Amino acid sequence: SFELTQPPSVSVSPGQTARITCSGEALPKQYSYWYQQKPGQAPVLLIYKDTERPSGVPERFTGSTSGTTATLTISAVQAEDEADYYCQSVDSTPTYVFGTGTRVTVL
Amino acid sequence: QVQLQESGPEVVKPSQTLSLTCTVSGGSISSGSFYWSWIRQSAGKGLEWIGRVYRSGNTNYNPSLESRVTMSVDTSKNQFSLQLSSLTAADTAVYYCARGVRYGGYEVAFDSWGQGLLVSVST
Repeated sequence: SFELTQPPSVSVSPGQTARITCSGEALPKQYSYWYQQKPGQAPVLLIYKDTERPSGVPERFTGSTSGTTATLTISAVQAEDEADYYCQSVDSTPTYVFGTGTRVTVL
Repeated sequence: QVQLQESGPEVVKPSQTLSLTCTVSGGSISSGSFYWSWIRQSAGKGLEWIGRVYRSGNTNYNPSLESRVTMSVDTSKNQFSLQLSSLTAADTAVYYCARGVRYGGYEVAFDSWGQGLLVSVST
């Protein structure tokens, strides 16, 4: 299967913009998905099919993709956005693969 | 809104087989284009997809675990199950069950998750 690589950590001040990247060779062919996980909780789906937001997810969370990199952007970051974020995709097996995870710290 | 709940032992001995069940409420496991998956997370580590089962009983497993995994579905009880054999300490993890929404081909997003069950493999 393939790998999805994310930066281990991102730090951002409240009100600023955080960008989390996810790199993988499969991404030009497959969709990317994003999840937020807070301590002691299950992951929550934030973005599906690269750019779509499930109902109830704040508009400050947006997804984009370019070539082998998918990006989750959090605009006007709030303290409650402090969490771990994971990207996800799939290969043709199918095997569902999650990224290495990024911890977002709100300063 | 659909809810999922994992159940099973919290401690299992090495070399034994882990059996977990996920009970689905608020929706039928037989309806819609949903795949039912197990995903695990080791302490301080990332997420690992274990496998999935469809309402028909068809399964797909992660190649890295395939030789030790069996999944099944019981539509009459609205449950699906995981068996993982030949356990070692490396299988200690939080095990989640999750619903996968299909978006065509193999594309699936996990839109509903159980709260997770911590399973320790220890003597």
